[in-house]
Amino acid sequence: DQQVKQNSPSLSVQEGRISILNCDYTNSMFDYFLWYKKYPAEGPTFLISISSIKDKNEDGRFTVFLNKSAKHLSLHIVPSQPGDSAVYFCAASTFVRGSTLGRLYFGRGTQLTVWP
Amino acid sequence: DTEVTQTPKHLVMGMTNKKSLKCEQHMGHRAMYWYKQKAKKPPELMFVYSYEKLSINESVPSRFSPECPNSSLLNLHLHALQPEDSALYLCASSQGPAAGQGNNEQYFGPGTRLTVT
Repeated sequence: DQQVKQNSPSLSVQEGRISILNCDYTNSMFDYFLWYKKYPAEGPTFLISISSIKDKNEDGRFTVFLNKSAKHLSLHIVPSQPGDSAVYFCAASTFVRGSTLGRLYFGRGTQLTVWP
Repeated sequence: DTEVTQTPKHLVMGMTNKKSLKCEQHMGHRAMYWYKQKAKKPPELMFVYSYEKLSINESVPSRFSPECPNSSLLNLHLHALQPEDSALYLCASSQGPAAGQGNNEQYFGPGTRLTVT
């Protein structure tokens, strides 16, 4: 049962244009959302996050938007660069049932390719 | 410093071998995690350690045995693995184990690429 969904397995964008990666979730208890970037043969790298009490968070070229009513978040990369080519994972956090521990639920990832 | 280190980078082992994966972080994080990742799939949570105690075991087979010798180190002992256990094994840490806010910003190591023959 996939609670975090990234429905686009791949996205191809020209250098300098905007990349928009989308993520949907089903669990209304998620209260913190994260994006990770992963290059082949490396571990995921934390990119940017957003709390459920906000609708936007910006860090340089990266902006994450959260629409709680639609249970949807997106990552915007402007301008896109060839070095941004990687797999991007969306993740969401909530309590483990019956405890105060948190855990992350990951989407399946979107392969972003930025071409010159 | 947001570095999590893992050794070895690559490991090939037979089904009767015993080996260990190691993970280290010096960020003062109190939660550490083991994940397994297969190609083109998201990371799957295996274990969570909170303040050096095992807090979550996601029904992982006993041929995987985690250990947390101290707050900076996390080991994963492997014994009698199957070829289907071949995967990238990722270690991660976060500031705290509690849900919410920055505690859930997990920082990952580069992983150990495990091949079971």
